Amino acid sequence: EPEVTQTPSHQVTQMGQEVILRCVPISNHLYFYWYRQILGQKVEFLVSFYNNEISEKSEIFDDQFSVERPDGSNFTLKIRSTKLEDSAMYFCASSVYGTSGGGPPDTQYFGPGTRLTVL
Amino acid sequence: DAKTTQPPSMDCAEGRAANLPCNHSTISGNEYVYWYRQIHSQGPQYIIHGLKNNETNEMASLIITEDRKSSTLILPHATLRDTAVYYCIGTGNQFYFGTGTSLTVIP
Repeated sequence: EPEVTQTPSHQVTQMGQEVILRCVPISNHLYFYWYRQILGQKVEFLVSFYNNEISEKSEIFDDQFSVERPDGSNFTLKIRSTKLEDSAMYFCASSVYGTSGGGPPDTQYFGPGTRLTVL
Repeated sequence: DAKTTQPPSMDCAEGRAANLPCNHSTISGNEYVYWYRQIHSQGPQYIIHGLKNNETNEMASLIITEDRKSSTLILPHATLRDTAVYYCIGTGNQFYFGTGTSLTVIP
């Protein structure tokens, strides 16, 4: 069964450093998402991406975050200058269709996550 | 997006049916109800979704009340591996996860 994969599984970085988290969505999916989960807290939506553009983003997704689909398979989340409060699990998800535009939402399939630890 | 309310925790005996309730009284006519679960710190796993009819798949059944203000996820024969946090999501444009129900299946 196809699945979303993420690398690395655990990333440790120093405050102020840039990190790139990588995801390989399911191959026929067109919509991609990033979520984060701070330890003990809710899963929070960060951003959705379709057709090489951000389609929706939350308040958390500020200027230090960016997303990119650098090739036909990878989907990346970059954090430019990490802060201690960026320490969290980051989940990538993908779906065939999106969740906006008036139509019914589509099932999102999540990857196993990357645990980011900022020291 | 509909706000959903779930009990914070529930126990269920292994082999019994686990019935997890969810209130979504503000759900609008075109919003689906989705259920996901998260085992420990793994990625959320899709279980089932529905609009107004009851749904069943290999994992679970979803019963949605006629007024669509609440729903129940049923795991027909709970196993220890079903111990997880279960999220009920009323979705319009995006998936917003609440705090969910922590289900513990007891041997």
